[in-house]
Amino acid sequence: GEQVEQRPPHLSVPEGDSAVIICTYTDSATAYFYWYKQEPGAGLQLLMSVFSNVDRKEEQGLTVLLNKKDKQLSLNLTAAHPGDSAVYFCASIASSSFSKLVFGQGTSLSVVP
Amino acid sequence: AQTIHQWPVAEIKAVGSPLSLGCTIKGKSSPNLYWYWQATGGTLQQLFYSITVGQVESVVQLNLSASRPKDDQFILSTEKLLLSHSGFYLCAWRGAYEQYFGPGTRLTVL
Repeated sequence: GEQVEQRPPHLSVPEGDSAVIICTYTDSATAYFYWYKQEPGAGLQLLMSVFSNVDRKEEQGLTVLLNKKDKQLSLNLTAAHPGDSAVYFCASIASSSFSKLVFGQGTSLSVVP
Repeated sequence: AQTIHQWPVAEIKAVGSPLSLGCTIKGKSSPNLYWYWQATGGTLQQLFYSITVGQVESVVQLNLSASRPKDDQFILSTEKLLLSHSGFYLCAWRGAYEQYFGPGTRLTVL
């Protein structure tokens, strides 16, 4: 079944810098990709969803790139601020199993003022 | 707008005691519902999903069970807690293509 590897596990960036998180997936039949943000003690907040036929999507300071050849998904937070500090998860759903959402291991992002 | 509520917010329970966690969604008819477990500092693992009342599919059981007694309600339970059940339990519902998560329940088993 689908496996998702996420890196780095921890990331610290100065305020105003960019932060990049990368996920590598295994199933070429993956239909949808997602990025979630989890603040301490809270549930997951959906940041962005990307269909597999999209190479690039930008929304509110976030850029998601999908490289289907290398089976890589990335999230770029431009001009990070302390409020972006949280754990970020990528996730995917294969078209063969639309009920099973598979998560990466998570990246703990710290934005230092 | 849809809202998802989980109860209780947190539980501290003894090993061997029973457990029942609940999830309710409002504003969505016949939702697909999901239970996830998250170890402290870890990733999320899907446990169960349900597409309709009375029907639950198990993904990973972990000595837990789930039930869908009403269209808007999803229950996670066990008769006997293990230390390994500690963690964060999240309920989610499916929109068109995305899953939206509830606030979670923190479970500590001592």
